[in-house]
Amino acid sequence: SQQGEEDPQALSIQEGENATMNCSYKTSINNLQWYRQNSGRGLVHLILIRSNEREKHSGRLRVTLDTSKKSSSLLITASRAADTASYFCATSGSQGNLIFGKGTKLSVKP
Amino acid sequence: DAMVIQNPRYQVTQFGKPVTLSCSQTLNHNVMYWYQQKSSQAPKLLFHYYDKDFNNEADTPDNFQSRRPNTSFCFLDIRSPGLGDAAMYLCATEQGATSGRETQYFGPGTRLLVL
Repeated sequence: SQQGEEDPQALSIQEGENATMNCSYKTSINNLQWYRQNSGRGLVHLILIRSNEREKHSGRLRVTLDTSKKSSSLLITASRAADTASYFCATSGSQGNLIFGKGTKLSVKP
Repeated sequence: DAMVIQNPRYQVTQFGKPVTLSCSQTLNHNVMYWYQQKSSQAPKLLFHYYDKDFNNEADTPDNFQSRRPNTSFCFLDIRSPGLGDAAMYLCATEQGATSGRETQYFGPGTRLLVL
């Protein structure tokens, strides 16, 4: 069953602009992760935020987590054409597997 | 470099002809996962191994089987591929530490085409 829902489904911006993607989930979590997937490739782990954290940074990435609203956001600052990819949020299922949202397809135009 | 390798990257098979996809890892992780990702959809777990313990998802078709002969290798066998099995198949590993299930490391995927 799907746990996360990303919003928007698709986002198109110009290089240098910031991109914000949102994720909502349904059940309690220990942590939430964001992954990137370039077209036709595997997923790459970007960042993990634990349930007791509210904000986390990694380079140009900023992730927030609001457990009261069961939502998270991923902000990419000063976007580059190379950031063009699909971005998925994921939470852990009962088997330890990742349950992914549908993803946000980001297109950064040079 | 330590990594997760999937072979082949692209696989074409005929309807009903058995096919095997391969995954290997140099991370020495305890857990290996197989996900299926259809076009424009999120990856969906098929099954996973924690060491030698096999865990099947309830809705994974019987047509899909897996083998893990050792820590490094895991295989996905599709006994009689149908047109609906055309997808990207992703292998992932996880350390499986007692602190909890966390970051997974994905291979590049095998794209399966069924003719």
